[in-house]
Amino acid sequence: QVQLQESGPRQVKPSETLSLNCTISGGSIRSKYWSWIRQSAGRGLEWIGRIDSTGSIGYNPSLKSRVTMSVDTSKNQFSLKLTSVTAADTAMYFCAGEGTMAMIPPNWFDPWGQGTLVTVSS
Amino acid sequence: DIQMTQSPSTLSASIGDRVTITCRASQSINSWLAWYQQKPGKAPNLLISKASTLESGVPSRFSGSGSGTEFTLTISGLQPDDFATYYCQQYNRYSPTFGQGTKVEIK
Repeated sequence: QVQLQESGPRQVKPSETLSLNCTISGGSIRSKYWSWIRQSAGRGLEWIGRIDSTGSIGYNPSLKSRVTMSVDTSKNQFSLKLTSVTAADTAMYFCAGEGTMAMIPPNWFDPWGQGTLVTVSS
Repeated sequence: DIQMTQSPSTLSASIGDRVTITCRASQSINSWLAWYQQKPGKAPNLLISKASTLESGVPSRFSGSGSGTEFTLTISGLQPDDFATYYCQQYNRYSPTFGQGTKVEIK
């Protein structure tokens, strides 16, 4: 079955850029939309944005000015960059599949990666 | 954004109990609602989509109902594996949003 794995630095300094990758195995990046979701005690579960294999993108308006997502079909991988981070961006970051390509977003999320805890600290 | 409000925040129950969690949307979302189960240190796991469609492999003791702005997740006959936190999520339009979660604890 499809599995997702997040990777990237676990600690980022304030004002710098958080960068994460999500590698898809057991399935094609062309089969779904792909999203980033974060979870923190203060904000709960928060959708960050989505991308598909063509590079079509949707971002959460509350984060849009700081978020960039990209896709690398040759690596079956998609990525997240979040600029100008602060302590409020400390969270568990998950990548997840969103719906299927036959479904217009937004949709439910399945599967999910195991998540990676990113801490913003100097 | 559409706001999702779950109640209760915490629920204490015993094995075999019937448990109901409510999720309310700040505006109508038709039936575009999903339910997830999350255990400590793990990612959420999709249980139900489109308000009442049980995902493959999910035990039949889980059921979902509702439409518009009010939804329920019911666990009929709570099992030890069901003690977890449950989240609703709307996907009607705009950015998908989640409820704040309901933690089901052992009584």
